[in-house]
Amino acid sequence: DGGITQSPKYLFRKEGQNVTLSCEQNLNHDAMYWYRQDPGQGLRLIYYSQIVNDFQKGDIAEGYSVSREKKESFPLTVTSAQKNPTAFYLCASSGGRLNTEAFFGQGTRLTVV
Amino acid sequence: GENVEQHPSTLSVQEGDSAVIKCTYSDSASNYFPWYKQELGKGPQLIIDIRSNVGEKKDQRIAVTLNKTAKHFSLHITETQPEDSAVYFCAASQTNFGNEKLTFGTGTRLTIIP
Repeated sequence: DGGITQSPKYLFRKEGQNVTLSCEQNLNHDAMYWYRQDPGQGLRLIYYSQIVNDFQKGDIAEGYSVSREKKESFPLTVTSAQKNPTAFYLCASSGGRLNTEAFFGQGTRLTVV
Repeated sequence: GENVEQHPSTLSVQEGDSAVIKCTYSDSASNYFPWYKQELGKGPQLIIDIRSNVGEKKDQRIAVTLNKTAKHFSLHITETQPEDSAVYFCAASQTNFGNEKLTFGTGTRLTIIP
């Protein structure tokens, strides 16, 4: 069953701690993306990767880091430098180039306590 | 970079009526325009998309129109049903390598009134 899987669905973090959100896809997609969703603000791009071992900052990369060591995996770390990390985080993947349809995971809701 | 504006932010229609959501984009190089539907607590799902070489595309009750000159595109849902209630997002991107990232509008919360 092909798809994109995010885990965990809910995550609680204490202030000052780093936390890593998992994103795995078995669609053989080259491109992967991380978006942040806040009420009334739509989806904002944090980081994206078009190929393995390469990634670029999106519009709101400050306080976040990523890695792309494997084609199937694109984990996002929310660091203590992110001042307002409570949000719904969405991972997506696409074939890239002419195959631009993006598939989304079910999201991770991160709450700082 | 690309900027996508979406209107209205909320929309309520009677069941059976039509709903129209409009988006404008700023980058004339954008050539791919998808629409996503997001249900509560879930990730967005693609419902229809259009490329810049086409002016209109239809899939059953859903249609999208594109005006490249004016840089705007619209989603039309006819014969609305309660299951159409959700948040809808428009987006824009390019299909050349290095520019495939999607820029999203701020979303429209559509409520179908039974």
